[in-house]
Amino acid sequence: SQKIEQNSEALNIQEGKTATLTCNYTNYSPAYLQWYRQDPGRGPVFLLLIRENEKEKRKERLKVTFDTTLKQSLFHITASQPADSATYLCALDIPGNKLVFGAGTILRVKS
Amino acid sequence: DAGITQSPRHKVTETGTPVTLRCHQTENHRYMYWYRQDPGHGLRLIHYSYGVKDTDKGEVSDGYSVSRSKTEDFLLTLESATSSQTSVYFCAISSAQITDTQYFGPGTRLTVL
Repeated sequence: SQKIEQNSEALNIQEGKTATLTCNYTNYSPAYLQWYRQDPGRGPVFLLLIRENEKEKRKERLKVTFDTTLKQSLFHITASQPADSATYLCALDIPGNKLVFGAGTILRVKS
Repeated sequence: DAGITQSPRHKVTETGTPVTLRCHQTENHRYMYWYRQDPGHGLRLIHYSYGVKDTDKGEVSDGYSVSRSKTEDFLLTLESATSSQTSVYFCAISSAQITDTQYFGPGTRLTVL
């Protein structure tokens, strides 16, 4: 079955720095990969989607890369702010037309 | 939360009792999903629906059933709740393909004593 690995340890960074989160997967190669943000006590919120034939996608301070050879996606937040503190989940499609989510990485941005 | 509500938001129940969680959407989206979220496991798909009265199992469907009699409502039933079903349950919707962007509800925290 598809396995998704995200850093289980929280990432602590200083305000203004770039945060980089990793999503690694095994087995099946997805057609696309999504990133979501989740705040405590709330449901995940969609951020970005990147397709297998796209190497990079940007939205404001966010950037996602997708390396199908390494089976890895990187999620970057530039000029990070305390308000960016949250859990970030990656999700990818698997056979049978379903999405599988990673367990998420907690990001803490300190001022 | 993209026109999705869940009820109740919190529930405490006892082992062996049936429990029904409700998801209601105002977006007229075709697909609806139920997930559970537990520490270290992330979101796991329980059941999903691809239309009225059309449902299918997800990764962790044992002990759960669903029904969808209207486009806007998707019910999740725990037939006989167990302590292992203590979790946070999220409903999600998507408009087109099953793997399109999903929009999540606020969640229901269920505790089974």
